[in-house]
Amino acid sequence: GAVVSQHPSRVICKSGTSVKIECRSLDFQATTMFWYRQFPKQSLMLMATSNEGSKATYEQGVEKDKFLINHASLTLSTLTVTSAHPEDSSFYICSASRDSYNEQFFGPGTRLTVL
Amino acid sequence: AQSVSQHNHHVILSEAASLELGCNYSYGGTVNLFWYVQYPGQHLQLLLKYFSGDPLVKGIKGFEAEFIKSKFSFNLRKPSVQWSDTAEYFCAVNFVFGPGTRLSVLP
Repeated sequence: GAVVSQHPSRVICKSGTSVKIECRSLDFQATTMFWYRQFPKQSLMLMATSNEGSKATYEQGVEKDKFLINHASLTLSTLTVTSAHPEDSSFYICSASRDSYNEQFFGPGTRLTVL
Repeated sequence: AQSVSQHNHHVILSEAASLELGCNYSYGGTVNLFWYVQYPGQHLQLLLKYFSGDPLVKGIKGFEAEFIKSKFSFNLRKPSVQWSDTAEYFCAVNFVFGPGTRLSVLP
């Protein structure tokens, strides 16, 4: 159990367009979902934490208007990168947890390339 | 602000050697400590966790970690590594991840 999926796994888009990434917990209810960004050969950087039905909490330095997070249900959270630019190219990973401070179950990640 | 450091960027061992990966953190509040592992081509997955109680915790695949509060450390250990342990290992304190340690085990 405890499987988390992400879609798409890879996306290439033009500069200025918006991209939506979905994160789903397939076999459990995730009260909390997390979005991370990972640069090449670096660790995961937490971008935001979202609880179902409430606004996401963004980490310092993360633009909330650029990275829109919606956690509409206990099994789905979405990250929308608005007006994407080449510097937004990265590997985005989501994780889900049954409660705020428990084990996180990670998705496979989404590779975003902005041309 | 929380920060997590891992002592080694890349560790190379032969099979059957003992392993210890260092993890230190800086944070004055309540900590929940995790070690995650990422095998080549796979998702991150939990190796072990510590919330409270016995500071020596055992995880999957023969791994264990010891929380030493006075040293702000949570080092990962395994007495005898196998080739299949080749992976990237991440220490995390609450939601803050360390930079990771790549472990290469030579057959």
